[in-house]
Amino acid sequence: GEEVAQTPKHLVRGEGQKAKLYCAPIKGHSYVFWYQQVLKNEFKFLISFQNENVFDETGMPKERFSAKCLPNSPCSLEIQATKLEDSAVYFCASSRPGTGGWSPLHFGNGTRLTVT
Amino acid sequence: EDQVTQSPEALRLQEGESSSLNCSYTVSGLRGLFWYRQDPGKGPEFLFTLYSAGEEKEKERLKATLTKKESFLHITAPKPEDSATYLCAAGAAGNKLTFGGGTRVLVKP
Repeated sequence: GEEVAQTPKHLVRGEGQKAKLYCAPIKGHSYVFWYQQVLKNEFKFLISFQNENVFDETGMPKERFSAKCLPNSPCSLEIQATKLEDSAVYFCASSRPGTGGWSPLHFGNGTRLTVT
Repeated sequence: EDQVTQSPEALRLQEGESSSLNCSYTVSGLRGLFWYRQDPGKGPEFLFTLYSAGEEKEKERLKATLTKKESFLHITAPKPEDSATYLCAAGAAGNKLTFGGGTRVLVKP
C-alpha cells in the first residue's frame, strides 16, 4: 500500500496483560522503525528492521518488549506484562533503502496503548 | 549524546503573521535534518529533508534552511490550516532519528 497501516488504533490492557501491535509498511520499503511517543511530543526510538532482520535494537526494553518483521506478514511489536508506564502512542514508520543519503521515514497514525 | 532542541514550545500567530521556528542540534555525523508536521491524533507527515549547510527547501508557505548547528522553518503569511505541531529530527549513522520536542503552532483567523 501507499501508507503505513497500523492496527489497532486503540488498545486498552490491564496491568500485567500482553499487548500486540501491528504495522504494514509501505510496499517497497525495506526499513521499518518503531517509536514510542509519550508526553510533550517526546519520541523514543525502540527498534528498526532491515527487511526481516533487526537493524538496531538499542532502544528496546529487553525484558518485556519484542518485535518481529517476518516475510509476507505485518510487522509486530509485543509487550509482555504491560506496566502503567507503557501507556503511550506507538508509531511505526518505514523508509526506502537510502541512495547515498537518508530516505525520509513515513509514519503510520499510531496505536494508542492505555494500560489501566 | 545526540540532542535536538526546538524553540519556542508554542507559537500563536494571527493569520498572515510570518514567523520562524528554530531547531538546534548536536549530532555526531549528521546524515540529514528532517522536518515533519503532526496533526492531533495523526502520525508525523514528512515535509523536508536537508542534507548540508546552506541548503534550503520550500513548499507552499513553508521554507526550511540549514546551518551547521541549526535549522529554521519559516512560515510565510500562515493560514489557519497551518496550525499543527512541527517536529524537527536529525538522522545520524545507525539509521536512527533523534526528535526535538516540537513546536505547537496555532494560527488564528
